Amino acid sequence: KAGVTQTPRYLIKTRGQQVTLSCSPISGHRSVSWYQQTPGQGLQFLFEYFSETQRNKGNFPGRFSGRQFSNSRSEMNVSTLELGDSALYLCASSLEFFGRGQLLNTEAFFGQGTRLTVV
Amino acid sequence: KQEVTQIPAALSVPEGENLVLNCSFTDSAIYNLQWFRQDPGKGLTSLLLIQSSQREQTSGRLNASLDKSSGRSTLYIAASQPGDSATYLCAVDSNYQLIWGAGTKLIIKP
Repeated sequence: KAGVTQTPRYLIKTRGQQVTLSCSPISGHRSVSWYQQTPGQGLQFLFEYFSETQRNKGNFPGRFSGRQFSNSRSEMNVSTLELGDSALYLCASSLEFFGRGQLLNTEAFFGQGTRLTVV
Repeated sequence: KQEVTQIPAALSVPEGENLVLNCSFTDSAIYNLQWFRQDPGKGLTSLLLIQSSQREQTSGRLNASLDKSSGRSTLYIAASQPGDSATYLCAVDSNYQLIWGAGTKLIIKP
């Protein structure tokens, strides 16, 4: 079974440009979430999608946006790039099901990430 | 606002030792708690998931416990090996997002 696939793996962009990152979840997973990881701030939540609907959004400016398609693949877009947007962007997918004892299982599986460098 | 803290920030031990990593959180209203490992420059590998009403989970040499009432989780690694060297992160699942600790950087010396 294929894992979470993120493309591209590495990206170099210039300030002011925009970028689109892609995430293909594990087959059957309908929840996709995005995280930004930097040395200074650690891992921070960007947004989460389930069946094409954004259910939650982190505290990031409007330059950061995302969407999810009917096949659960997701994209995130960053417009007007700033130097501070340089980071590892990680995508996670989750099946979300009620298992034994009606416990909600939301185990997240991560891709290898996209390393974005803004120069 | 949920906050997650991991102690210690870094740990260096000789091969073969048993060790404990700690994670604490401020709000007990969580769906689950998940432990991950991250190798330098890489993504995150899920190690263990503990659901909100469970007390512990085991996988091989790893055992994770959860005490929601006190807001604590521990990750126990038995008979550590050099290949266990990595950064270990805990994250609590709250309202469709994972909230992260800063991680514990673990070095196992051969």
